[in-house]
Amino acid sequence: GAVVSQHPSRVICKSGTSVKIECRSLDFQATTMFWYRQFPKQSLMLMATSNEGSKATYEQGVEKDKFLINHASLTLSTLTVTSAHPEDSSFYICSARTEQEFSYEQYFGPGTRLTVT
Amino acid sequence: GESVGLHLPTLSVQEGDNSIINCAYSNSASDYFIWYKQESGKGPQFIIDIRSNMDKRQGQRVTVLLNKTVKHLSLQIAATQPGDSAVYFCAESYGNQFYFGTGTSLTVIP
Repeated sequence: GAVVSQHPSRVICKSGTSVKIECRSLDFQATTMFWYRQFPKQSLMLMATSNEGSKATYEQGVEKDKFLINHASLTLSTLTVTSAHPEDSSFYICSARTEQEFSYEQYFGPGTRLTVT
Repeated sequence: GESVGLHLPTLSVQEGDNSIINCAYSNSASDYFIWYKQESGKGPQFIIDIRSNMDKRQGQRVTVLLNKTVKHLSLQIAATQPGDSAVYFCAESYGNQFYFGTGTSLTVIP
């Protein structure tokens, strides 16, 4: 089956620093990737949708200058949390989708736990 | 985003019993629905999906039922096992995006 990886799986950073999270589709080409954040005991909240080679589309209320998304290739998307603050601490999950006929399925990464101290 | 809600936030079942997890969705134009399972500290795992032109789909030990009239989705797990303990999310899709429900925490009692 399709595999999506994320790196790092856990990261602790100091307030004010930036953190980059990578999302890779390992055995398929992902024309569309999604970034979610999830707080404890809550659902996944879609942050943005990115298509390879174009700018990401951010959901309402998500600061695009704070959460920089780059979808540079069909197998890699990155999320950079700039000037991180403790309230940015969360579980960040990416997913990837192919453009196969009749397939709408998203494949999720294992998530990245970000802790900002 | 769209609102997809679940009726029960927690569910406890005895091992071997059947589980039913319910979900209400809000967008009548949604044309694709998925159930995901998420274990603690991990990303969501695909369980089963259904398109809006169907009302029932069966997988291995799981069945999804879709009632478009009342915008209701359910996941049935047969012979629930301890390994089924997790949080289950339904998601609806309209266009290029997916919207997740609140989640139901399923606990299987041995």
